[in-house]
Amino acid sequence: GENVEQHPSTLSVQEGDSAVIKCTYSDSASNYFPWYKQELGKRPQLIIDIRSNVGEKKDQRIAVTLNKTAKHFSLHITETQPEDSAVYFCAASIAGNQFYFGTGTSLTVIP
Amino acid sequence: DAGITQSPRHKVTETGTPVTLRCHQTENHRYMYWYRQDPGHGLRLIHYSYGVKDTDKGEVSDGYSVSRSKTEDFLLTLESATSSQTSVYFCAIQRSGITGELFFGEGSRLTVL
Repeated sequence: GENVEQHPSTLSVQEGDSAVIKCTYSDSASNYFPWYKQELGKRPQLIIDIRSNVGEKKDQRIAVTLNKTAKHFSLHITETQPEDSAVYFCAASIAGNQFYFGTGTSLTVIP
Repeated sequence: DAGITQSPRHKVTETGTPVTLRCHQTENHRYMYWYRQDPGHGLRLIHYSYGVKDTDKGEVSDGYSVSRSKTEDFLLTLESATSSQTSVYFCAIQRSGITGELFFGEGSRLTVL
């Protein structure tokens, strides 16, 4: 099956700085890559996603890039704010089901 | 949020007892999933369903069974709970068909003593 690795496991940034989380996947058949944010005690929620026919996608302060050749994708958060503090999960999906998740990155934004 | 509910939200049980977790959706989606979340492991797929009575195994299915007799309900059963099954369990529905996002329930925290 698919194997998704995520780094770093923890990340601390100063408010206003940028944060980058990186994921790699193993199966070249994966074609959908969502990112989820999970606040403490809450459910994971989709924040952005990208499909294999697109190299980059942006939504306000959040962007995701995909390099299919290298089999890696990244989440970029600019101008970080305290409310960005959460655990972020990347995932890869083959054929639209059986989503495989990374192990998560705990992001702390220091005011 | 409306759309998906899990029950019970919290449960404490003893080793060897059976446990059933229920996931109920009101949105009539075909795909439903059960994940477990453990520190250091992220979210791991237990079982999923692609229709009534159509289910398949995920990456950590040993010790778990599922049933889906109605579109709206997806049940996860631990026939004989073990301490290694202490976890937070999330159900998810897949919106917008096979290419859509996963929308998660609020989770069920299970403790097996």
